[in-house]
Amino acid sequence: NAGVTQTPKFQVLKTGQSMTLQCAQDMNHEYMSWYRQDPGMGLRLIHYSVGAGITDQGEVPNGYNVSRSTTEDFPLRLLSAAPSQTSVYFCASRNTGGSSGYTFGSGTRLTVV
Amino acid sequence: GEDVEQSLFLSVREGDSSVINCTYTDSSSTYLYWYKQEPGAGLQLLTYIFSNMDMKQDQRLTVLLNKKDKHLSLRIADTQTGDSAIYFCAEPYSGYALNFGKGTSLLVTP
Repeated sequence: NAGVTQTPKFQVLKTGQSMTLQCAQDMNHEYMSWYRQDPGMGLRLIHYSVGAGITDQGEVPNGYNVSRSTTEDFPLRLLSAAPSQTSVYFCASRNTGGSSGYTFGSGTRLTVV
Repeated sequence: GEDVEQSLFLSVREGDSSVINCTYTDSSSTYLYWYKQEPGAGLQLLTYIFSNMDMKQDQRLTVLLNKKDKHLSLRIADTQTGDSAIYFCAEPYSGYALNFGKGTSLLVTP
């Protein structure tokens, strides 16, 4: 099992460009979520999903879109990148029982210039 | 959302015990989590505690939970230099994601 796989690991974008951060899990987890990590801010929740076809906003959703067409994949889209979106992005997944904890991907480091 | 509070820095000598404290926000939280992040790496689940427990011990790790004060602590016994990392306390967000504290940077000196 690969766990939670995030691609790419690094990306540089110009202001106004769009891109999709990929997240895939092979554990048949229902719950998936996206976070951004900024220095001194901890991890903040962007969007989450409780299953295929169902998504909801987290604490900092502006500027980001998500969709969940399959159980395995939960891509995060930046429609028009801004320097304020420079961050490290983490994807996580969990099954429906809370005791297993959340499994995190290794992250995508995004720089917007 | 409301803030999960943690102290930002802790420095200990190798072999001493480390105690990292956290105040969470949601009194109905079922599970509370501790994650560890080493430099340049992702997050690793260290341990968790179910809300009906007061204490959980797992080798060198002891988690204490005070539900009345919404206070969670992580004690690391016999702290080693390899324990130097950022430690995050987290509570459930709507039951389907996590609400994190800002993290405590633990520095272990020889």
